[in-house]
Amino acid sequence: QLQLQESGPGLVKPSETLSLTCTVSGDSISSSSYYWGWIRQPPGKGLEWIGSIYYSGSTDYNPSLKSRVTISVDTSENQFSLKVSSVTAADTAVYYCARRQTYWYFDLWGRGTLVTVSS
Amino acid sequence: EIVMTQSPGTLSVSPGERATLSCRASQSVSSNLAWYQQKPGQAPRLLIYGASTRATGIPARFSGSGSGTEFTLTISSLQSEDFAVYYCQQYNYWLTFGGGTKVEIK
Repeated sequence: QLQLQESGPGLVKPSETLSLTCTVSGDSISSSSYYWGWIRQPPGKGLEWIGSIYYSGSTDYNPSLKSRVTISVDTSENQFSLKVSSVTAADTAVYYCARRQTYWYFDLWGRGTLVTVSS
Repeated sequence: EIVMTQSPGTLSVSPGERATLSCRASQSVSSNLAWYQQKPGQAPRLLIYGASTRATGIPARFSGSGSGTEFTLTISSLQSEDFAVYYCQQYNYWLTFGGGTKVEIK
């Protein structure tokens, strides 16, 4: 059964770079049928798509975040990663990784990890 | 950016009753719409995609309808486990979520 698990620091200082990794188990991240994505949710608020990646390395980013976001994939480790640069308190959120279908909806999600931006 | 507007913000319903949730797009998204359920402390769960196709394992009491700019999620007879927040998401042009509808016990 496919599972996704986010990992990374729970606290990041303002102006620094947030880095998270999503480990996929139960299936190969190199499956040609799927993309892999990141979504975030500020406390008590709604969902915001950050971006997606294919195993080949092809990426799509939310235009509103594109200048600060990098998503990469490591097929040997069955992982994909997220970096958000120059973070502020507005980047405080639960960050989810998820599997994205060819059509852009997400059918499987990780449990999420809270990242707080604070000095 | 396509803006997704969900209404109402909160819906109070008694167990066993029918719940109707609305989602409106600022421009046509064809049938490229998904619905998710999120319970406190949990990740969202896919309920519906393609506006009306139930995801794997989703009970038949959940149904989706609509196309273009107007969409509806109907829960035919609310069970205790259905009280949650529901989000719509368009994927016709990039990807955006609605603000959510909270379904609470009346």
